[in-house]
Amino acid sequence: GGIITQTPKFLIGQEGQKLTLKCQQNFNHDTMYWYRQDSGKGLRLIYYSITENDLQKGDLSEGYDASREKKSSFSLTVTSAQKNEMAVFLCASSIQGARAEQFFGPGTRLTVL
Amino acid sequence: GDSVTQTEGQVTVSESKSLIINCTYSATSIGYPNLFWYVRYPGEGLQLLLKVITAGQKGSSRGFEATYNKEATSFHLQKASVQESDSAVYYCALSLNSGGSNYKLTFGKGTLLTVTP
Repeated sequence: GGIITQTPKFLIGQEGQKLTLKCQQNFNHDTMYWYRQDSGKGLRLIYYSITENDLQKGDLSEGYDASREKKSSFSLTVTSAQKNEMAVFLCASSIQGARAEQFFGPGTRLTVL
Repeated sequence: GDSVTQTEGQVTVSESKSLIINCTYSATSIGYPNLFWYVRYPGEGLQLLLKVITAGQKGSSRGFEATYNKEATSFHLQKASVQESDSAVYYCALSLNSGGSNYKLTFGKGTLLTVTP
Protein backbone atom coordinates (compact mmCIF):
# COMPACT_ATOMS: atom_id res chain seq x y z
CA GLY A 1 0.00 0.00 0.00
CA GLY A 2 0.91 3.63 -0.07
CA ILE A 3 0.05 6.95 1.42
CA ILE A 4 -0.58 10.52 0.33
CA THR A 5 0.65 13.27 2.60
CA GLN A 6 -0.60 16.83 2.36
CA THR A 7 0.98 19.78 4.12
CA PRO A 8 -0.05 21.83 5.87
CA LYS A 9 -3.22 20.36 7.32
CA PHE A 10 -4.60 23.84 8.07
CA LEU A 11 -3.61 27.00 6.24
CA ILE A 12 -4.65 30.48 7.28
CA GLY A 13 -3.82 33.34 4.99
CA GLN A 14 -4.47 37.00 4.37
CA GLU A 15 -6.27 38.51 1.42
CA GLY A 16 -3.94 38.87 -1.56
CA GLN A 17 -1.36 36.51 -0.15
CA LYS A 18 0.31 33.81 -2.24
CA LEU A 19 -0.13 30.43 -0.55
CA THR A 20 1.43 27.07 -1.39
CA LEU A 21 0.05 23.63 -0.64
CA LYS A 22 2.18 20.51 -0.96
CA CYS A 23 1.42 16.89 -1.71
CA GLN A 24 3.61 13.79 -1.60
CA GLN A 25 2.73 10.22 -2.61
CA ASN A 26 4.66 6.99 -2.27
CA PHE A 27 2.44 4.83 -4.49
CA ASN A 28 4.85 5.46 -7.37
CA HIS A 29 1.85 6.68 -9.36
CA ASP A 30 2.38 8.58 -12.58
CA THR A 31 -0.66 10.86 -12.30
CA MET A 32 -1.46 13.39 -9.59
CA TYR A 33 -4.42 15.73 -9.11
CA TRP A 34 -5.52 18.75 -7.14
CA TYR A 35 -9.21 19.22 -6.28
CA ARG A 36 -11.05 21.92 -4.42
CA GLN A 37 -14.09 21.16 -2.27
CA ASP A 38 -16.41 23.87 -1.02
CA SER A 39 -19.06 23.20 1.58
CA GLY A 40 -22.08 21.49 0.04
CA LYS A 41 -20.39 21.03 -3.31
CA GLY A 42 -18.62 18.21 -5.02
CA LEU A 43 -14.93 18.11 -5.76
CA ARG A 44 -13.77 20.29 -8.64
CA LEU A 45 -10.56 19.63 -10.51
CA ILE A 46 -8.00 22.43 -10.45
CA TYR A 47 -4.92 20.89 -12.08
CA TYR A 48 -3.57 17.47 -12.82
CA SER A 49 -0.28 16.04 -14.02
CA ILE A 50 -0.27 12.87 -16.07
CA THR A 51 3.44 12.23 -15.67
CA GLU A 52 6.42 14.06 -14.27
CA ASN A 53 6.92 17.34 -16.18
CA ASP A 54 3.33 17.37 -17.42
CA LEU A 55 0.67 19.87 -16.35
CA GLN A 56 -3.00 19.95 -17.38
CA LYS A 57 -5.63 22.51 -16.42
CA GLY A 58 -8.86 21.42 -14.86
CA ASP A 59 -12.15 23.29 -14.65
CA LEU A 60 -11.02 25.62 -11.87
CA SER A 61 -7.43 26.55 -12.77
CA GLU A 62 -7.88 30.32 -12.81
CA GLY A 63 -6.25 31.82 -9.72
CA TYR A 64 -3.96 28.82 -9.21
CA ASP A 65 -0.56 27.59 -10.35
CA ALA A 66 0.75 24.06 -10.01
CA SER A 67 4.14 22.44 -10.16
CA ARG A 68 5.14 18.78 -10.47
CA GLU A 69 8.61 18.89 -8.96
CA LYS A 70 9.20 15.17 -9.25
CA LYS A 71 7.17 12.01 -9.67
CA SER A 72 6.25 11.83 -6.01
CA SER A 73 5.34 15.46 -5.38
CA PHE A 74 2.82 17.96 -6.70
CA SER A 75 2.39 21.50 -5.36
CA LEU A 76 -0.47 23.94 -5.72
CA THR A 77 -0.16 27.72 -5.33
CA VAL A 78 -3.06 30.04 -4.68
CA THR A 79 -1.77 33.09 -6.50
CA SER A 80 -3.85 35.67 -4.61
CA ALA A 81 -6.03 34.50 -1.75
CA GLN A 82 -9.57 35.87 -1.74
CA LYS A 83 -11.03 37.34 1.45
CA ASN A 84 -13.45 35.05 3.32
CA GLU A 85 -12.42 32.14 1.14
CA MET A 86 -12.82 28.77 2.83
CA ALA A 87 -12.30 25.45 1.14
CA VAL A 88 -10.64 22.07 1.47
CA PHE A 89 -8.01 21.16 -1.11
CA LEU A 90 -7.58 17.48 -1.85
CA CYS A 91 -4.60 15.89 -3.56
CA ALA A 92 -4.97 12.54 -5.30
CA SER A 93 -2.84 10.15 -7.32
CA SER A 94 -3.46 7.24 -9.67
CA ILE A 95 -1.91 5.11 -12.35
CA GLN A 96 -2.45 6.53 -15.84
CA GLY A 97 -5.88 6.31 -17.42
CA ALA A 98 -9.44 7.56 -17.05
CA ARG A 99 -10.53 4.22 -15.56
CA ALA A 100 -8.02 4.33 -12.76
CA GLU A 101 -8.94 4.51 -9.09
CA GLN A 102 -7.77 7.75 -7.55
CA PHE A 103 -6.25 7.65 -4.06
CA PHE A 104 -6.85 10.75 -1.97
CA GLY A 105 -4.92 12.58 0.70
CA PRO A 106 -6.47 13.91 3.93
CA GLY A 107 -6.79 17.46 2.64
CA THR A 108 -5.61 20.97 3.46
CA ARG A 109 -8.23 23.30 4.91
CA LEU A 110 -7.77 26.88 3.76
CA THR A 111 -9.15 29.92 5.56
CA VAL A 112 -8.54 33.44 4.29
CA LEU A 113 -9.06 36.28 6.74
CA GLY B 1 -19.91 20.22 -19.87
CA ASP B 2 -20.09 16.88 -18.14
CA SER B 3 -22.15 16.69 -14.98
CA VAL B 4 -23.26 14.32 -12.23
CA THR B 5 -26.46 14.73 -10.24
CA GLN B 6 -27.06 12.68 -7.12
CA THR B 7 -29.52 12.60 -4.24
CA GLU B 8 -28.78 15.88 -2.51
CA GLY B 9 -28.16 16.64 1.10
CA GLN B 10 -28.76 14.12 3.82
CA VAL B 11 -30.45 10.74 3.83
CA THR B 12 -31.42 9.10 7.12
CA VAL B 13 -32.19 5.40 7.20
CA SER B 14 -32.87 3.05 10.08
CA GLU B 15 -30.48 0.17 10.58
CA SER B 16 -31.37 -2.96 8.59
CA LYS B 17 -33.53 -0.97 6.13
CA SER B 18 -32.79 -0.68 2.44
CA LEU B 19 -31.05 2.27 0.81
CA ILE B 20 -30.90 3.85 -2.60
CA ILE B 21 -28.89 6.93 -3.49
CA ASN B 22 -29.72 8.14 -6.97
CA CYS B 23 -27.07 9.20 -9.47
CA THR B 24 -27.54 10.33 -13.04
CA TYR B 25 -24.92 11.73 -15.36
CA SER B 26 -24.61 13.79 -18.49
CA ALA B 27 -21.57 13.28 -20.69
CA THR B 28 -21.07 15.88 -23.40
CA SER B 29 -17.34 15.37 -23.89
CA ILE B 30 -15.92 12.71 -26.21
CA GLY B 31 -15.33 9.35 -24.62
CA TYR B 32 -16.89 6.29 -23.04
CA PRO B 33 -18.25 6.83 -19.50
CA ASN B 34 -16.64 5.18 -16.51
CA LEU B 35 -18.66 5.39 -13.31
CA PHE B 36 -17.51 5.43 -9.72
CA TRP B 37 -18.82 5.66 -6.19
CA TYR B 38 -16.42 7.17 -3.66
CA VAL B 39 -17.04 7.30 0.09
CA ARG B 40 -15.72 9.33 3.00
CA TYR B 41 -16.20 7.70 6.39
CA PRO B 42 -16.00 9.95 9.46
CA GLY B 43 -12.41 10.83 10.20
CA GLU B 44 -11.09 9.15 7.06
CA GLY B 45 -10.06 10.24 3.59
CA LEU B 46 -12.04 9.83 0.42
CA GLN B 47 -11.77 6.31 -0.98
CA LEU B 48 -13.17 4.27 -3.82
CA LEU B 49 -16.21 2.16 -2.97
CA LEU B 50 -16.85 0.64 -6.39
CA LYS B 51 -16.52 1.33 -10.09
CA VAL B 52 -18.03 0.05 -13.34
CA ILE B 53 -16.54 0.72 -16.76
CA THR B 54 -18.87 -1.35 -18.95
CA ALA B 55 -22.51 -0.50 -19.63
CA GLY B 56 -24.94 -3.03 -18.18
CA GLN B 57 -22.45 -4.30 -15.63
CA LYS B 58 -22.89 -4.17 -11.87
CA GLY B 59 -20.25 -3.28 -9.35
CA SER B 60 -20.37 -4.33 -5.72
CA SER B 61 -18.45 -3.75 -2.52
CA ARG B 62 -19.21 -3.93 1.21
CA GLY B 63 -22.78 -4.99 0.44
CA PHE B 64 -23.38 -2.02 -1.86
CA GLU B 65 -24.27 -2.44 -5.52
CA ALA B 66 -24.57 -0.12 -8.49
CA THR B 67 -25.51 -0.92 -12.08
CA TYR B 68 -24.34 1.17 -15.01
CA ASN B 69 -27.51 1.90 -17.01
CA LYS B 70 -26.46 3.51 -20.27
CA GLU B 71 -30.01 4.11 -21.54
CA ALA B 72 -31.08 5.90 -18.36
CA THR B 73 -27.60 7.42 -17.85
CA SER B 74 -27.83 6.29 -14.25
CA PHE B 75 -25.62 4.62 -11.65
CA HIS B 76 -27.74 4.36 -8.50
CA LEU B 77 -26.17 3.03 -5.32
CA GLN B 78 -28.18 0.44 -3.40
CA LYS B 79 -27.87 -1.65 -0.30
CA ALA B 80 -30.44 -4.12 0.96
CA SER B 81 -29.72 -3.71 4.66
CA VAL B 82 -27.66 -0.80 6.00
CA GLN B 83 -25.60 -0.77 9.18
CA GLU B 84 -24.56 2.08 11.41
CA SER B 85 -21.02 1.70 10.09
CA ASP B 86 -22.28 2.72 6.64
CA SER B 87 -22.82 6.28 7.87
CA ALA B 88 -20.64 8.37 5.58
CA VAL B 89 -20.67 10.81 2.66
CA TYR B 90 -21.09 9.13 -0.72
CA TYR B 91 -20.02 10.69 -4.03
CA CYS B 92 -20.94 9.56 -7.50
CA ALA B 93 -18.31 10.36 -10.13
CA LEU B 94 -17.80 10.15 -13.88
CA SER B 95 -14.78 9.99 -16.13
CA LEU B 96 -14.65 9.60 -19.89
CA ASN B 97 -12.34 7.09 -21.50
CA SER B 98 -11.35 8.61 -24.83
CA GLY B 99 -7.91 7.08 -25.14
CA GLY B 100 -6.42 10.53 -24.81
CA SER B 101 -5.05 12.53 -21.93
CA ASN B 102 -8.35 13.64 -20.40
CA TYR B 103 -8.42 12.00 -16.97
CA LYS B 104 -10.89 14.40 -15.43
CA LEU B 105 -13.17 12.97 -12.76
CA THR B 106 -16.48 14.85 -12.42
CA PHE B 107 -18.09 14.49 -9.00
CA GLY B 108 -21.61 14.88 -7.72
CA LYS B 109 -22.18 17.07 -4.67
CA GLY B 110 -22.24 14.18 -2.24
CA THR B 111 -24.93 12.55 -0.10
CA LEU B 112 -24.58 12.30 3.66
CA LEU B 113 -25.97 8.98 4.84
CA THR B 114 -26.89 8.68 8.48
CA VAL B 115 -27.94 5.27 9.72
CA THR B 116 -29.86 5.31 12.99
CA PRO B 117 -30.05 2.40 15.42
